[in-house]
Amino acid sequence: DTGVSQNPRHKITKRGQNVTFRCDPISEHNRLYWYRQTLGQGPEFLTYFQNEAQLEKSRLLSDRFSAERPKGSFSTLEIQRTEQGDSAMYLCASRERRGGGDTQYFGPGTRLTVL
Amino acid sequence: QQQVKQSPQSLIVQKGGISIINCAYENTAFDYFPWYQQFPGKGPALLIAIRPDVSEKKEGRFTISFNKSAKQFSLHIMDSQPGDSATYFCAASIQGGSEKLVFGKGTKLTVNP
Repeated sequence: DTGVSQNPRHKITKRGQNVTFRCDPISEHNRLYWYRQTLGQGPEFLTYFQNEAQLEKSRLLSDRFSAERPKGSFSTLEIQRTEQGDSAMYLCASRERRGGGDTQYFGPGTRLTVL
Repeated sequence: QQQVKQSPQSLIVQKGGISIINCAYENTAFDYFPWYQQFPGKGPALLIAIRPDVSEKKEGRFTISFNKSAKQFSLHIMDSQPGDSATYFCAASIQGGSEKLVFGKGTKLTVNP
């Protein structure tokens, strides 16, 4: 499978628990993005990595959120002390450069439900 | 502040008809405008994209029309098929830097057989 993969696909947790999601980008894609999508809305940017460096974080990314990309390969997104407002689809995308324009390829997402 | 405004929110067309979705942006620094298609339970998939140096781009049944002076762009789906039923998102980004995508709120397209 050469696409972006995300695990788990679904996560149900109780408020206050910590959760961690994993994203495996397309091989050799040096950029990796995290977005959040709530029902009826478009994806919203959370953060991105170029190789292992996290270069930008959105104001949506509160201090309960942390993301890592060790060795510039897979990435993890952790949410501590989850709140009901964290319920959303968390999307990962990796980027290739093609013909001067950029294409971001999205994974299937991890749907988080906080009870 | 919504940087990319998309309309309509939902659209119903008959098989064989033309589907038209419109987007408007505010930030004149945007210089890359992709359209994504999303099926339920799936991540968005790139359909077609345009840069502001051209006014139109066509790929198969999908065409983007771009009006730089009006800061508007639209997606036209010709000969719409039931398999095109999905949610469509326009987006915009600034090349260089993060190149993060700013998405519209989406249009749910239903193509009736």
